[in-house]
Amino acid sequence: GENVEQHPSTLSVQEGDSAVIKCTYSDSASNYFPWYKQELGKRPQLIIDIRSNVGEKKDQRIAVTLNKTAKHFSLHITETQPEDSAVYFCAASISGGSNYKLTFGKGTLLTVNP
Amino acid sequence: NAGVTQTPKFQVLKTGQSMTLQCAQDMNHNSMYWYRQDPGMGLRLIYYSASEGTTDKGEVPNGYNVSRLNKREFSLRLESAAPSQTSVYFCASARGQGYVSGNTIYFGEGSWLTVV
Repeated sequence: GENVEQHPSTLSVQEGDSAVIKCTYSDSASNYFPWYKQELGKRPQLIIDIRSNVGEKKDQRIAVTLNKTAKHFSLHITETQPEDSAVYFCAASISGGSNYKLTFGKGTLLTVNP
Repeated sequence: NAGVTQTPKFQVLKTGQSMTLQCAQDMNHNSMYWYRQDPGMGLRLIYYSASEGTTDKGEVPNGYNVSRLNKREFSLRLESAAPSQTSVYFCASARGQGYVSGNTIYFGEGSWLTVV
């Protein structure tokens, strides 16, 4: 089955700096890569996603890049703010298939220091 | 629009006791999932139901059973709870199979389970 590796496990940045989280996946058939943000004690919530026919996607301060050849994708957060502090999960799946399910990375705890 | 609701939110069980976590979604989704979340382990899939009437094992199914009661409801049962099942459990749903776009997985608020 699919295996998703996520790095780093913890990341501490100063407010205003950029943060980058990287993930690799094993199944070359995976074609959908969402990122979830989970605040302490809350449910994971989708913040951005990318499909395999796209190399990059941006939404305000958040961007995701995908390298299908290398089977890795990354989350970039610019101009970080304290409210960006949370655990971020990457995931991979085969969307459009008969059994749709997400395989998650182990998460990155991002701390943005004021 | 409630989305995905799960109960109970908190539960303490003694080793060997049984319990059922309930989950319901009101988004007319086909697929439903149960994940468990442990520190440093991320979100691991226990069981999923790609569509009404089907269930399949995920990554960590041992010690659990599931029932897809109808399109809306998907329950998770612990037959004989063990301390290793102390975790946060999340139910989730998605439009599911065959959908290439708009296939976001939505999570419930979580159920904190402690087995002593």
